[in-house]
Amino acid sequence: EPEVTQTPSHQVTQMGQEVILRCVPISNHLYFYWYRQILGQKVEFLVSFYNNEISEKSEIFDDQFSVERPDGSNFTLKIRSTKLEDSAMYFCASRAGGSPLHFGNGTRLTVT
Amino acid sequence: AQSVTQLDSQVPVFEEAPVELRCNYSSSVSVYLFWYVQYPNQGLQLLLKYLSGSTLVKGINGFEAEFNKSQTSFHLRKPSVHISDTAEYFCAGENSGGSNYKLTFGKGTLLTVNP
Repeated sequence: EPEVTQTPSHQVTQMGQEVILRCVPISNHLYFYWYRQILGQKVEFLVSFYNNEISEKSEIFDDQFSVERPDGSNFTLKIRSTKLEDSAMYFCASRAGGSPLHFGNGTRLTVT
Repeated sequence: AQSVTQLDSQVPVFEEAPVELRCNYSSSVSVYLFWYVQYPNQGLQLLLKYLSGSTLVKGINGFEAEFNKSQTSFHLRKPSVHISDTAEYFCAGENSGGSNYKLTFGKGTLLTVNP
C-alpha cells in the first residue's frame, strides 16, 4: 500500500536555526497537510495545501513557518528561526479528494 | 467551531478484557468521524471512519465504533484486547461540508493492555 514518507525521523537543531522537514505524499493525492504534536498534547493542525497554494492555516502557523512543493513530489515545511517551543512531532499527511487522511510516521524535532 | 473530546487520557486493561474508549464531538454541522491509532514511535494509522449510513462501523484489528447523534458520541470498542493493542488512540472529526478536509483531533487515550 502506498505510504506517506517523512525525513528525517529525528532532527535536532539549535534555537534560532532554520530547519526543513521533508515529506513525500502519496503520488495521486492532491491535498497536503502538516500537523504537529507537542509531547503529551493533542495533534494540532498547522496548514493545508492544495493546487500549489496554502488553502488554510492555523494561528500556530505564523511568519516563521512556510511550506513548499518544490518539484511535484516533495512537500516541505520550513521553520525559519526555531524556538524551544517548536519542539514537537511533525506529521505530514495527504489525501485524494473525499478520502481519509494518510499520515507519515512523523519527524521528531528537538530544539535545544 | 468543531471540538473533539476524549474523556479518558489513560485506560489500563487486562489482556482479553473488553475495552471502550470514549469520544464526544461538538459541531453545529454534520461531521465525519475517525479513529486513528499511534503505536510507539510510529505515525497515525486509520482504524475506522464514519462518513454516513450505518452507525456501527467496523475497522481493522477487530475494533468497531458506534456513531450516536443524540449523544454526540463516537466511542471505540473491542470485545477482547491483545497486548499488541497497546497504543495511543485518537478520535478526530471533520465538518462534512468543509472544503479543506481539515481534521480536529482529541487529546488521545493511551490504552495499556497488561498480561
